[in-house]
Order: sequence, then C-alpha cells, then structure tokens
Amino acid sequence: QKEVEQNSGPLSVPEGAIASLNCTYSDRGSQSFFWYRQYSGKSPELIMSIYSNGDKEDGRFTAQLNKASQYVSLLIRDSQPSDSATYLCAVNARGSGNTGKLIFGQGTTLQVKP
Amino acid sequence: DVKVTQSSRYLVKRTGEKVFLECVQDMDHENMFWYRQDPGLGLRLIYFSYDVKMKEKGDIPEGYSVSREKKERFSLILESASTNQTSMYLCASSGTFEQYFGPGTRLTVT
Repeated sequence: QKEVEQNSGPLSVPEGAIASLNCTYSDRGSQSFFWYRQYSGKSPELIMSIYSNGDKEDGRFTAQLNKASQYVSLLIRDSQPSDSATYLCAVNARGSGNTGKLIFGQGTTLQVKP
Repeated sequence: DVKVTQSSRYLVKRTGEKVFLECVQDMDHENMFWYRQDPGLGLRLIYFSYDVKMKEKGDIPEGYSVSREKKERFSLILESASTNQTSMYLCASSGTFEQYFGPGTRLTVT
C-alpha cells in the first residue's frame, strides 16, 4: 500500500462545476496535510494546508480532512479552465520530527472543459 | 513571499561530467530538499537537509551527493552524470512542513 494515494485521473469536469479531488494516507499519526497545484512544465505551488478535522475554505478552494477515515479532499467550486493542472496531495512523513519531510501522492490530473 | 531560486532552468551535460545544481532560499528556512520528477513516477526525494551541514538520504540518493555550507544554499551534485539522470530537478525549502518549490531545472544528459 502506498503511503499517500490519489487517483491519477484525468478527472474531467465542465466549466462552472465542482471538482472533487481525493487522497488517502496510511499513517494514522499524520498531522499535516497539503494540496499543491502543478501546471504542466512548472513546479508545484502550495494552495492549501489543513491540520484539523473538518473543512477549511480559501476562495473557491475547500480542503476537507477526516482523520478517522484517513482521507483528505480538495473541492474546487466554479471550476475554470485555468484550474486544469495536476493536484498533488502531501502528508508529513512518519517520524519526520522537525525535518519537514513530506510524502507526496502521484497527483490527480484535472481537466476543466469550457 | 517565500522565494526559492535555482541556478539554471535548463541544463545540458555530457555523460561522465560532474554537475552542480544550486538552490537558494531567502526565508531563513531550516529545511531544504532536492527532488526529481519523471513522468509516471511522481516526485521522488533525493536528499534533504534540516540544518546547516546536516543531510539525510531520501528515497533515491544513489549517484547524487549534496552540500549545505550555508543556511540559505543547498547544492545537489551529480558526481558522474548518466543518461538515466535526465530529469526535472526541483528544490524546496520549509520552516515547518509547508514546502515551497523553486522553478526547477530540466537537466538533459547526453
């Protein structure tokens, strides 16, 4: 079992719809969770971080964390073609202490069609 | 804003050459990381450093070494470049767990 799992996609949604991206993780002790957006040929960009169970909203983005079920999701409301990218889920590594080490999923490719 | 810079966006080297990739961050972050990213393989951690002169191997350290003599600078060294090291190399830094990436260096070894 991979430590952080994501469906590779592509996930295709029409413009204006809600895109839902999911991620599961294996280490029940994980405390820090992140979503990165990566456009083709570019480096990953941090868009959301979440540390507590529940929802965290930032503009059109909502991160949801459920530690009991060991999943974290990212909702993108009113999806735009400019949201088309690969979204990476990242979780703090087991035993990472203060090193800041993260485990990244393989990423989900999102396509927003006009 | 956090700024992480990498010395080159594109680099072409010959097999057997010694290659230096430089990364500099301006946020006084303790932690710095080197990844490579290949299609279908995702981000793979090569080495990381959690303090000056402190380093740890990541998942794929073979063929690489690193140097961190100053807090803001973390260098990746390919001792003898090989064609299977052709890849996108990404540097990141963090204060706690939020990692910020540089623009990447696309290295081609011929």
